[in-house]
Amino acid sequence: GAGVSQSPSNKVTEKGKDVELRCDPISGHTALYWYRQSLGQGLEFLIYFQGNSAPDKSGLPSDRFSAERTGGSVSTLTIQRTQQEDSAVYLCASSPDRGRNQPQHFGDGTRLSIL
Amino acid sequence: GENVEQHPSTLSVQEGDSAVIKCTYSDSASNYFPWYKQELGKRPQLIIDIRSNVGEKKDQRIAVTLNKTAKHFSLHITETQPEDSAVYFCAASGGSNYKLTFGKGTLLTVNP
Repeated sequence: GAGVSQSPSNKVTEKGKDVELRCDPISGHTALYWYRQSLGQGLEFLIYFQGNSAPDKSGLPSDRFSAERTGGSVSTLTIQRTQQEDSAVYLCASSPDRGRNQPQHFGDGTRLSIL
Repeated sequence: GENVEQHPSTLSVQEGDSAVIKCTYSDSASNYFPWYKQELGKRPQLIIDIRSNVGEKKDQRIAVTLNKTAKHFSLHITETQPEDSAVYFCAASGGSNYKLTFGKGTLLTVNP
């Protein structure tokens, strides 16, 4: 079946603008994760959704970042008043079952560039 | 929280040689350790994973070993090929955490 789908693949915007990134997980996967990968760095956890449970937002770097997941499927990550340090690749992953210790499958990411 | 250290940051080998990448973790409650391969501009792809009830796992030319006492795990690639060239990331999760904590990656270059 189809893998994790993310859009847009690239986004260039001016500092101070808001951006919205989209993730469509693998069908049937109940767990969804957002990570951020800065140039030459590892992946940094941002937020986790599992079914109808309250999301774990402990990795969000500031209150300019928010995410939602509607209907237990598609998720959007919103960054308000973007700053240059927000430039990174934003990766979404999903996993089956309850997420704990299950393989996470990644999308191709959104490359965000803040001018 | 969990902290994962990965070494080396870069590794260059000749085609046919073996490559070993090592990771250490800090949280003794971690019990799931995946390895991802990421080619330039591509998504991270899971290549192998191991759970704490297993000491070693092998899949063709790739193997992972886990030492829970020492809190370290390693990726072994034998008979390396140029297409193995990529950045490899180790990660850990478990206990009260379901999120993956990643190492900073190893750039593996296999020279023909």
